[in-house]
Amino acid sequence: AQSVAQPEDQVNVAEGNPLTVKCTYSVSGNPYLFWYVQYPNRGLQFLLKYITGDNLVKGSYGFEAEFNKSQTSFHLKKPSALVSDSALYFCAVRDMEGSARQLTFGSGTQLTVLP
Amino acid sequence: ETGVTQTPRHLVMGMTNKKSLKCEQHLGHNAMYWYKQSAKKPLELMFVYSLEERVENNSVPSRFSPECPNSSHLFLHLHTLQPEDSALYLCASSQRASGGPNEQFFGPGTRLTVL
Repeated sequence: AQSVAQPEDQVNVAEGNPLTVKCTYSVSGNPYLFWYVQYPNRGLQFLLKYITGDNLVKGSYGFEAEFNKSQTSFHLKKPSALVSDSALYFCAVRDMEGSARQLTFGSGTQLTVLP
Repeated sequence: ETGVTQTPRHLVMGMTNKKSLKCEQHLGHNAMYWYKQSAKKPLELMFVYSLEERVENNSVPSRFSPECPNSSHLFLHLHTLQPEDSALYLCASSQRASGGPNEQFFGPGTRLTVL
């Protein structure tokens, strides 16, 4: 079975500071990993994905994520947070070799960037 | 918006009503999805249509019935719902490919309230 955990319901960070939103996963094989963002009254928007290759993945709006196989993590990062980054962030995983053919999403982390 | 539209955006219905949610994608994708989003819970995949084949989550009650007449349109028919079915219902689409999962594009959702 595949699963994903976002251990923090809420993350607060001051504008201009670096931000990290945590994600850990569990798969039987190798993972495909995604980050999505949801702004109020909107659907989810794709930010970035890890399929294979370089462990550091760069995505939209200055976000990046680092795949760490030994820690089974895929934390989302940004060097300098903006107030407009305040939103709900979802991590998702799919096992490359498993029988599940769909993504499993986490429960989301609400990021608030304080001015 | 992302090229995926949903109507209506808001719906209030009684438990004895029958209603339908509509989703349309203008991206040329060959897979469409229905998700249920409840507060502080993981996004729940309800149905997938891929190349017009339906894949179901076995835990979805029969009071939810999907229909996919073609690759651009997806419906979710609702009847005799319960108050706990109140949630944001999200539609998404993607392009199925052999090289791994592609990102999904989400609509803005239908906010459903069951009285």
